[in-house]
Amino acid sequence: KNEVEQSPQNLTAQEGEFITINCSYSVGISALHWLQQHPGGGIVSLFMLSSGKKKHGRLIATINIQEKHSSLHITASHPRDSAVYICAVRGSNYQLIWGAGTKLIIKP
Amino acid sequence: KAGVTQTPRYLIKTRGQQVTLSCSPISGHRSVSWYQQTPGQGLQFLFEYFSETQRNKGNFPGRFSGRQFSNSRSEMNVSTLELGDSALYLCASNAASGTTLYNEQFFGPGTRLTVL
Repeated sequence: KNEVEQSPQNLTAQEGEFITINCSYSVGISALHWLQQHPGGGIVSLFMLSSGKKKHGRLIATINIQEKHSSLHITASHPRDSAVYICAVRGSNYQLIWGAGTKLIIKP
Repeated sequence: KAGVTQTPRYLIKTRGQQVTLSCSPISGHRSVSWYQQTPGQGLQFLFEYFSETQRNKGNFPGRFSGRQFSNSRSEMNVSTLELGDSALYLCASNAASGTTLYNEQFFGPGTRLTVL
């Protein structure tokens, strides 16, 4: 079993829909990252959080430390949100452990 | 503030050759991490350097090595290239200090290496 599991692996939705991507982890962590990777390779860090909830524009990230679970939400989704969303957790040895990513396609 | 830069952006090598990739972190960042991304394996951690010292290392063979200079720039070297080394190599920097270890990572555009 992978230490970081993301679901779903693939998600296709219509423009305007509310999107939720989930991340569950099995190791003790000090922080959890959500990142976005567009075709072509560029990776952008969206959030780093260790508790509670963070919001940037239409993006919201939550984490439940007790349940070892985090969610990334996108409100009013747009085709430009189409990308791979990656969850990564940082364990006690500094190393980031990566989820496999969720490929999101938003259709106009 | 300039972002993380990586050179070269694209590279084609043949089996058996060696390659050196370079990463310049954001000014003031002392931590640099390297990752390999392949379609089949996703993102795999190679190593992390902090203040010229390798702080952590992933599960890669000894053909993969790195170093960090006093100006925090980092290089990654792969010797005796194999076809399976074809990948996107990403570098990330963060503002970790000796006591503040867990900070947001900023990624470079990557170097796409093709081994023929």
